[in-house]
Amino acid sequence: EVQLVESGGGLVQPGGSLRLSCAASGFTFNTYWMTWVRQAPGKGLEWVADIREDGGEKFYADSVTGRFTISRDNVKNSLYLQMNSLRAEDTAVYYCAIWVRFSGDIRSESFQHWGQGTLVAVSA
Amino acid sequence: QTVLTQEPSFSVSPGGTVTLTCGLSSGSVSGGYFPNWYQQTPGQAPRTLIYDTSTRSSGVPDRFSGSILGNKAALTITGAQADDESDYYCALYMGRGLWVFGGGTKLTVL
Repeated sequence: EVQLVESGGGLVQPGGSLRLSCAASGFTFNTYWMTWVRQAPGKGLEWVADIREDGGEKFYADSVTGRFTISRDNVKNSLYLQMNSLRAEDTAVYYCAIWVRFSGDIRSESFQHWGQGTLVAVSA
Repeated sequence: QTVLTQEPSFSVSPGGTVTLTCGLSSGSVSGGYFPNWYQQTPGQAPRTLIYDTSTRSSGVPDRFSGSILGNKAALTITGAQADDESDYYCALYMGRGLWVFGGGTKLTVL
């Protein structure tokens, strides 16, 4: 069974840092792109960042570029999001998900299997 | 900045049919954007319903279908049930690793 378990959320002051983790199991982690998506309280979903299977490519939303860093450890089957210079508007539940890019040999793009999320609250 | 537009809210009667849409600020939605639809109930993680315009994710009932209608992506629920009452989000893959989500539609079944 595929499982994604986020951790590391909490309350942090503006300007502070936090590192989120996503522990993956039940699938071959090093063969999938992974992604972070967030949801501010009462708001919609917002894509944050994603990372290639080997960590060699990373992409970020404009809202977090230069402040957040996505990374992965394929030995530990874990995904990370280092968040620096946090702002009140970064307050959200952060979800990790598997980005599936192929269905067999056919190009496909979707987020499959989501974690339950971890809450980050940025407040003084 | 790319914006996806969804109806903020929609209402459907039990057993009825409803079509939610997803428009793109910069032009027409096509299959090349691999439209996705996600369902979310309060306090829960999103659930993948539809991807690649019209492919149902594993375990999704066939009353959910996806398509391109005109210049928008569309999610149709045929024979709506009470537990379909949820928020629905579309998402497009914009290329070069970038994704964008719509603002979501709150569906009420009553």
